[in-house]
Amino acid sequence: DVKVTQSSRYLVKRTGEKVFLECVQDMDHENMFWYRQDPGLGLRLIYFSYDVKMKEKGDIPEGYSVSREKKERFSLILESASTNQTSMYLCASASGSGVVDEQFFGPGTRLTVL
Amino acid sequence: QKEVEQNSGPLSVPEGAIASLNCTYSDRVSQSFFWYRQYSGKSPELIMSIYSNGDKEDGRFTAQLNKASQYVSLLIRDSQPSDSATYLCAVSSGSARQLTFGSGTQLTVLP
Repeated sequence: DVKVTQSSRYLVKRTGEKVFLECVQDMDHENMFWYRQDPGLGLRLIYFSYDVKMKEKGDIPEGYSVSREKKERFSLILESASTNQTSMYLCASASGSGVVDEQFFGPGTRLTVL
Repeated sequence: QKEVEQNSGPLSVPEGAIASLNCTYSDRVSQSFFWYRQYSGKSPELIMSIYSNGDKEDGRFTAQLNKASQYVSLLIRDSQPSDSATYLCAVSSGSARQLTFGSGTQLTVLP
């Protein structure tokens, strides 16, 4: 089974803090993704990566950056957290090869910015 | 702007009935289609993927795809109270096959 883990289930930070969210997958997947999920807005793609050190902006990259130094690990960074970044953050991975491109999600991190 | 539309519901069905969930998408070049189930407070769980026109069955679940009509559906037979969840339709496109999600349909199966 694919296993995607995220560093924290719940996180509380203060406005202006730098926040790191970590995601690790154990299936040697090429592609990794960060989403946020908000009531009424659904799941929205923040950033994705299709290879080590490669990254692409998703639909809502403002206020975020990412890092992928190793294939299994994809980090989301909030440079200066703001209250409108309070959300559920979900990491996903996919094999990136062939026709099958199913994405598997981690358990999520519920971030509250005060 | 790629769009994926779902009926937001809520949809209620009695236990043992067939639940029918529908989804339309705007991007004609989309290749892959997925249904995820999400329980309250949990992350999405993949339950079905479909890549070609027609039906795909897996246990009590059947996914149906019609690319000409840009329509994908999920049927849940013999619905159980444990099927009560939000069902997300997702469509894949782009270089890394990133997903665009619908807003989800909340399903309640009444005992």
